[in-house]
Amino acid sequence: KQEVTQIPAALSVPEGENLVLNCSFTDSAIYNLQWFRQDPGKGLTSLLLIQSSQREQTSGRLNASLDKSSGRSTLYIAASQPGDSATYLCAVRPGNFNKFYFGSGTKLNVKP
Amino acid sequence: EPEVTQTPSHQVTQMGQEVILRCVPISNHLYFYWYRQILGQKVEFLVSFYNNEISEKSEIFDDQFSVERPDGSNFTLKIRSTKLEDSAMYFCASSEDRRLIQYFGAGTRLSVL
Repeated sequence: KQEVTQIPAALSVPEGENLVLNCSFTDSAIYNLQWFRQDPGKGLTSLLLIQSSQREQTSGRLNASLDKSSGRSTLYIAASQPGDSATYLCAVRPGNFNKFYFGSGTKLNVKP
Repeated sequence: EPEVTQTPSHQVTQMGQEVILRCVPISNHLYFYWYRQILGQKVEFLVSFYNNEISEKSEIFDDQFSVERPDGSNFTLKIRSTKLEDSAMYFCASSEDRRLIQYFGAGTRLSVL
């Protein structure tokens, strides 16, 4: 069974800092990987989807990379803002299955 | 921007009662999903649905659970006889294609008393 781990569990940074969130998964036979943002008590907002054949995806200040062979993905946030404060979740879709396995998330606090 | 809509936002029920959680997926999407998140725990997959049938389900999705697409727009999750441990946030998601982004609704918080 696929296990997804996110480190660190929590991160607090001053506004303007660039930061990296980490996601690792145990089975490299993945179909794709999706990063989400979750605000307290709210739903999941999709940020980026990386297919297994891709190395990275970018959207605005966000850049997600994927190293399938080592079972890792990173989410890079440039010039962080207080509005970026949320929990960031990584979810991995195994090779031939139509479901995601989620990590437990990194709770990000960007201080003004 | 199109979004997945879930109702109600909060459902309170007594143990043993049946509940139906409702979702309106994005209109041109063909794949539908239910996930749940128990407070403080990971988001867990429950079931995926395509072409009017379940395509995959987890071990959590036992005989107490069922899904239905009663018409062209709604997608429902029914829990036949709720247990205390069913208390969780339930998320509906949809995607245009199984390879593409899954879009999630805001969730229904189910509280079983």
